[in-house]
Amino acid sequence: AQSVTQPDIHITVSEGASLELRCNYSYGATPYLFWYVQSPGQGLQLLLKYFSGDTLVQGIKGFEAEFKRSQSSFNLRKPSVHWSDAAEYFCAVGAYNTDKLIFGTGTRLQVFP
Amino acid sequence: DVKVTQSSRYLVKRTGEKVFLECVQDMDHENMFWYRQDPGLGLRLIYFSYDVKMKEKGDIPEGYSVSREKKERFSLILESASTNQTSMYLCASSPDASSPLHFGNGTRLTVT
Repeated sequence: AQSVTQPDIHITVSEGASLELRCNYSYGATPYLFWYVQSPGQGLQLLLKYFSGDTLVQGIKGFEAEFKRSQSSFNLRKPSVHWSDAAEYFCAVGAYNTDKLIFGTGTRLQVFP
Repeated sequence: DVKVTQSSRYLVKRTGEKVFLECVQDMDHENMFWYRQDPGLGLRLIYFSYDVKMKEKGDIPEGYSVSREKKERFSLILESASTNQTSMYLCASSPDASSPLHFGNGTRLTVT
């Protein structure tokens, strides 16, 4: 069965600092991987996705993520965080043989000026 | 742009009431989903539907049912609301399994 782990519940960074949010998945075959962001009081917005091919994917708002099959990871990165990036971030895994998308428990990002 | 609309932003209901949460999407998507979001638990899938009148149980279907009579509309039904169903409910749609989900803004349900 698919599963997703986001080990960091809450991360605090200073504005301008680099960011890495961790995501580990469990699935037998090559999964579909997604990162979503949720601002307070809003639904979830897609940041980026990985299906196949290049393991480094670029997303919106300057985010990128790297798929590492050997580590079963899909970590989200941003070189310089902006105050507006403060939000909750969710990693999700899907698969070609199911319509289900399984989400991690989320990481709340706080940005200090 | 895809729009997923949830009919209510906030709802307050009493224990034992029958509750309907409505969701409409305007992009002719095949798949629709209902998730529940709770602090520390992330999003948990309640039910999903891949076609009209078709439904599949997600990870936490107990206490819920769904209805999909038209392609654009997916309803979540709490037959007899209980306090442990107080939560944020998120509806989403997608055209197929490999495509990202498009989410509504959520319905925050409080059961007293």
